[in-house]
Amino acid sequence: GQQVMQIPQYQHVQEGEDFTTYCNSSTTLSNIQWYKQRPGGHPVFLIQLVKSGEVKKQKRLTFQFGEAKKNSSLHITATQTTDVGTYFCAGNQAGTALIFGKGTTLSVSS
Amino acid sequence: DTEVTQTPKHLVMGMTNKKSLKCEQHMGHRAMYWYKQKAKKPPELMFVYSYEKLSINESVPSRFSPECPNSSLLNLHLHALQPEDSALYLCASSQDGTRSEKLFFGSGTQLSVL
Repeated sequence: GQQVMQIPQYQHVQEGEDFTTYCNSSTTLSNIQWYKQRPGGHPVFLIQLVKSGEVKKQKRLTFQFGEAKKNSSLHITATQTTDVGTYFCAGNQAGTALIFGKGTTLSVSS
Repeated sequence: DTEVTQTPKHLVMGMTNKKSLKCEQHMGHRAMYWYKQKAKKPPELMFVYSYEKLSINESVPSRFSPECPNSSLLNLHLHALQPEDSALYLCASSQDGTRSEKLFFGSGTQLSVL
């Protein structure tokens, strides 16, 4: 069945350092979504990518969707303490339910 | 602030109790979801309602019973739960359930089964 793998599981950085989390699927995806969940909070939608090779930016966050639509990445430039949380990718094939990756938990020390 | 409202925020129940979780959204969305999330794990899909009809049941035990009274409301009835059912229960909604839509999550109900 469809699987979405995400690495690393945990990442600790010093404030100001960059951070990247990677998502890989065993099958071609129709779209990939990214969510952020703060400690004690609920997942909040960040972005959706649908096109092969698509790159989208939101301030310090850069999202990429691979050419084969099987992988994606989220890169944060110059992390801040407000970036702390767990970042989930979620993807699906057309007509199937969204599958969440296991998430990458980011901690930032100042 | 989330536009999907869940009540209660916390619930403690015994294994013989019957309780209900409630979810409400006023965004005009026609698809609503129940997810279960254990600590340090991703959300796991339980049920999907699309246009008030159950469209997905991910082989969830019958002690969990969903109900969608109308397009704005979603309930999850709980009966004879087990301690391993303790988790954060998240409700979500999306425009019309075409599977590739973004999800709006509620704040969740933290459930403890004793």
